[in-house]
Amino acid sequence: QVQLQESGPGLVKPSETLSLTCAVSGYSISSGYSWGWIRQPPGKGLEWIGNIYHDGRSSHNPSLNSRVTISVDTSKNQFSLKLSSVTASDTAVYHCVKLETSGCFAYWGQGSLVTVSS
Amino acid sequence: QSVLTQPPSVSGAPGQRVTISCTGSSSNIGAGYDVHWYQQLPGTAPKVVTHDNTDRPSGVPDRFSASKSGTSASLAITGLQAEDEADYYCQSFDTSLRAWVFGGGTKLTVL
Repeated sequence: QVQLQESGPGLVKPSETLSLTCAVSGYSISSGYSWGWIRQPPGKGLEWIGNIYHDGRSSHNPSLNSRVTISVDTSKNQFSLKLSSVTASDTAVYHCVKLETSGCFAYWGQGSLVTVSS
Repeated sequence: QSVLTQPPSVSGAPGQRVTISCTGSSSNIGAGYDVHWYQQLPGTAPKVVTHDNTDRPSGVPDRFSASKSGTSASLAITGLQAEDEADYYCQSFDTSLRAWVFGGGTKLTVL
């Protein structure tokens, strides 16, 4: 059974960079598939942030204006998110996910609340 | 404004049937991209209830079914139970936005 667990600071100052890591267990990232991030502002809906393949190819939501960097560390079986120049509107629960070939986000981490505030 | 449009809320009595619609366009559902549905219980991560338009993961009751036609999709829940009360989201890919997109979510209330 694939399990994902997010970790990282729960509070980030405006204009700084948000950094989160997702540890994967039950499946080797280097075996394939795509791994990504989805966020949910408090009381609002879901927004795809981006994803990365085991070979390092990545894509991200154009609406985030290239503030997103996603990287993968196959030796640690984990992948990471960096979101630069954050503002209060980036406050959200951030979930890491495993993306199936069909585009279904089949597995989700429990989520990590990140608050942007000074 | 979400690319995929869902009703903000639906409701039904225990045992009844409800449907949740998801309306897209020719750049997403109408372009042939698969539609997936998620259930989000309060305070928890979303969980797949149907995927690839009509398929149901093991462990999801057969009370949940989904369909797709043209630029729209829908999720049907029969024999409503109190435990079905949750937020439901549809999801697909949009070729114009070059992004995976979600509906705005529908809150299901079991009366």
